[in-house]
This record gives sequence, structure tokens and C-alpha cells, in this order.
Amino acid sequence: QQQVKQSPQSLIVQKGGISIINCAYENTAFDYFPWYQQFPGKGPALLIAIRPDVSEKKEGRFTISFNKSAKQFSLHIMDSQPGDSATYFCAASWTYNQGGKLIFGQGTELSVKP
Amino acid sequence: DTAVSQTPKYLVTQMGNDKSIKCEQNLGHDTMYWYKQDSKKFLKIMFSYNNKELIINETVPNRFSPKSPDKAHLNLHINSLELGDSAVYFCASSQEWQGLNEQFFGPGTRLTVL
Repeated sequence: QQQVKQSPQSLIVQKGGISIINCAYENTAFDYFPWYQQFPGKGPALLIAIRPDVSEKKEGRFTISFNKSAKQFSLHIMDSQPGDSATYFCAASWTYNQGGKLIFGQGTELSVKP
Repeated sequence: DTAVSQTPKYLVTQMGNDKSIKCEQNLGHDTMYWYKQDSKKFLKIMFSYNNKELIINETVPNRFSPKSPDKAHLNLHINSLELGDSAVYFCASSQEWQGLNEQFFGPGTRLTVL
């Protein structure tokens, strides 16, 4: 019930292409869905986040699409660049319960080829 | 200025030893966390502290004992280290645990148990 399932595990995209990473959850009590970006040897860093009352959020080249009825959300990276090569984690959380803990997906290793 | 710092960055030790990892944040945040990232990069919450008080213990073995001397520090002591404890441990902090608060992660401590 607390799992977040993420796919694909790895993704190779050409420079300028669109990268799409998908996540699904079961627990309808989740009400905060952030995406984190992690470069090798570094800690994860917040990229973009959404709440379930919004179906889409865009920040620059990064867009989250949220489908509440399907309990799915996805990250789209437009015009992907080699500098976007990193591991991406979706996560889910509760804004007022469970002590702030984030439930992470399994991660997607993105490689953008020049 | 480093927001969340951890020491040491690498820790190599023998099975059965006791070791500590230190974490400090200079963001003035009230809430701090420990996460474990395994060899497959899966991130899982271990503990959450708010103003030096434990608010989450995610069924972590008793060999792991977090200590928060003040709200800027959260240390992790591990007794009787086992092979399965080998992982990267991340400290994180957020303004508070309730609400839509970004978690800021430290650079991680890679623990290798031989």
C-alpha cells in the first residue's frame, strides 16, 4: 500500500528528445508527489513537485502529468540534454501525516546521448 | 556554504564494529531524516526527527541509534555492523515535517562492511 512503482529502470534518449518516466501508487492518502534528481556521488535534489488537485505542472523543460483516477504520474523532460543524465526518483508523501517521510520509486537511470 | 553536510564521506569497516556518521544542517530547519540507499539505488526512510524528538522509526534494527544533540545535528550510530548494512546513508532536512516542505539531502556516506 505504501509502494510507489517506477518505470522504466533505465532510459536512453538522444539529445533534443523527450524523456518520459512513469510512476504508479496505490495509497490514495498520498497528497504530495515530488521528483528528485540524483547525480553520481551526490545526494538527491528536488526537481519538481505536484499535488493531486493539479493535473499538470511545468517548470522549464520539466513537466509532471498527474492522473488521480489512474493513480499515476509521470515526468516529461523536453529537449533532453546530456547534462540531464542522472537518476530520477519519483516519490510520494503525506503533507500532514507520517512524519514527512518520502516513499521513493525504484529510480530511473537516464542517459542522454549527444 | 554547504546546506547539509555529512562526515565521513566514506567508511570502510569490519563486521562487528561500531561506527558513527555525523550530519549537520545550517538551514535552520526543524526536521531531519536518515535515508538508506542500497546497491540498487533504492532509497528508504530510516528515521525522522523534529526539534530533537524522534517522530519516525521505520522498523530499523535496534543496532541503529540516531541521536540529535540539537536541531541542527542528527548523528547515526550503528552497533555490531553486518554485511547487509553496506549502503549509502543520506541525511536530509526540511523546514518542518508537515506541509509541502522540500527535503534537502546531504552528499551521503558510503558505508562498506567487510
